[in-house]
Amino acid sequence: DAMVIQNPRYQVTQFGKPVTLSCSQTLNHNVMYWYQQKSSQAPKLLFHYYDKDFNNEADTPDNFQSRRPNTSFCFLDIRSPGLGDAAMYLCATSRVGRAYNEQFFGPGTRLTVL
Amino acid sequence: AQTVTQSQPEMSVQEAETVTLSCTYDTSESDYYLFWYKQPPSRQMILVIRQEAYKQQNATENRFSVNFQKAAKSFSLKISDSQLGDAAMYFCAYRREETSGSRLTFGEGTQLTVNP
Repeated sequence: DAMVIQNPRYQVTQFGKPVTLSCSQTLNHNVMYWYQQKSSQAPKLLFHYYDKDFNNEADTPDNFQSRRPNTSFCFLDIRSPGLGDAAMYLCATSRVGRAYNEQFFGPGTRLTVL
Repeated sequence: AQTVTQSQPEMSVQEAETVTLSCTYDTSESDYYLFWYKQPPSRQMILVIRQEAYKQQNATENRFSVNFQKAAKSFSLKISDSQLGDAAMYFCAYRREETSGSRLTFGEGTQLTVNP
């Protein structure tokens, strides 16, 4: 089945130690999104890629970066994780265009910062 | 900017009964989509139902239906014949189409408990 895959499902890192989260998709969608979801809160969009074009949200901290080497993969890099970065990170994909209005979500990666 | 408000942090329903989850939103746009997403514990978020703003008819998907009141900017979700598997966090979301993709704004969520 076509899907959005996130690895790892659980990630533990130390305060200040860089960490990379991975997302891959078999849907061949041209847009990939990264959301941060803290406990009992709504998902918050960090940034998204339309093909290779990077679109950052105005309030996303510089500590968060992203890479998309090809259509299938997208990475979230946290350069110096703080305790406040502990959250669930959701990857989603979609096509562009009015008719393609659904975003498909991966299962998420739960990040713990010690 | 668009905002989405879910005023019920928690709801509960008896199995086989009906429950309605509330959502209001604020926008100055006339053409948009609204969604209800379901996020079960430790599982991925999935789309439950969608509504196009220019369609007056309320969307229905099996046991799930919406009451879309465009003028009032209200978008509630009704779950009929509730099942144990319906227990989850439900998010109302507003979609804005952009040239680089779509932007979803989520409400804070409603945690639904289904009691046997």
